Amino acid sequence: EAQVTQNPRYLITVTGKKLTVTCSQNMNHEYMSWYRQDPGLGLRQIYYSMNVEVTDKGDVPEGYKVSRKEKRNFPLILESPSPNQTSLYFCASSSQGNQPQHFGDGTRLSIL
Amino acid sequence: GQSLEQPSEVTAVEGAIVQINCTYQTSGFYGLSWYQQHDGGAPTFLSYNALDGLEETGRFSSFLSRSDSYGYLLLQELQMKDSASYFCATLAQGGKLIFGQGTELSVKP
Repeated sequence: EAQVTQNPRYLITVTGKKLTVTCSQNMNHEYMSWYRQDPGLGLRQIYYSMNVEVTDKGDVPEGYKVSRKEKRNFPLILESPSPNQTSLYFCASSSQGNQPQHFGDGTRLSIL
Repeated sequence: GQSLEQPSEVTAVEGAIVQINCTYQTSGFYGLSWYQQHDGGAPTFLSYNALDGLEETGRFSSFLSRSDSYGYLLLQELQMKDSASYFCATLAQGGKLIFGQGTELSVKP
């Protein structure tokens, strides 16, 4: 089954404790991206990657890191999480940026 | 700046037709997409317009006018299950994907 898998689905952690949210897709997609969703603000792109070893900043990259060492994986790293990063996060992939995005089920992060 | 504007909420009754508008301002333009998101769920793709005109997919249609930097999503024969948030999105120059803030559609009996 074609899918985008994110883990974990839920996480409660504390300020400053490094965490990684994994994202994997099995559709051989070139384009992968991360979004955060906050009430009233829609989906805001954090980082995107158009291919392996190529990553670029989206609209809200501060406090986040990503890597794209393999085509299928695009982890989101919070080196020193802060409470303002409490949010719902989505990973997505597509064959190209202007093609339909396939979203993962989301990760709800709470940083205390 | 680059942005997409859409109404924050729309209410309609079952069986009716509703139109959700989206105006955009971007550097470069590579088509307009629409997504549906039910509460707490993942967004799902509905429709894409690369060129001017109407695209129809069942009860849903999407329209684009590049000269007006405007598009809309038309939902016909509304059902209760259509209650959800709807987002327009476009790819800006450089590969960044930008979403509107979303329109919450409430369908009443």
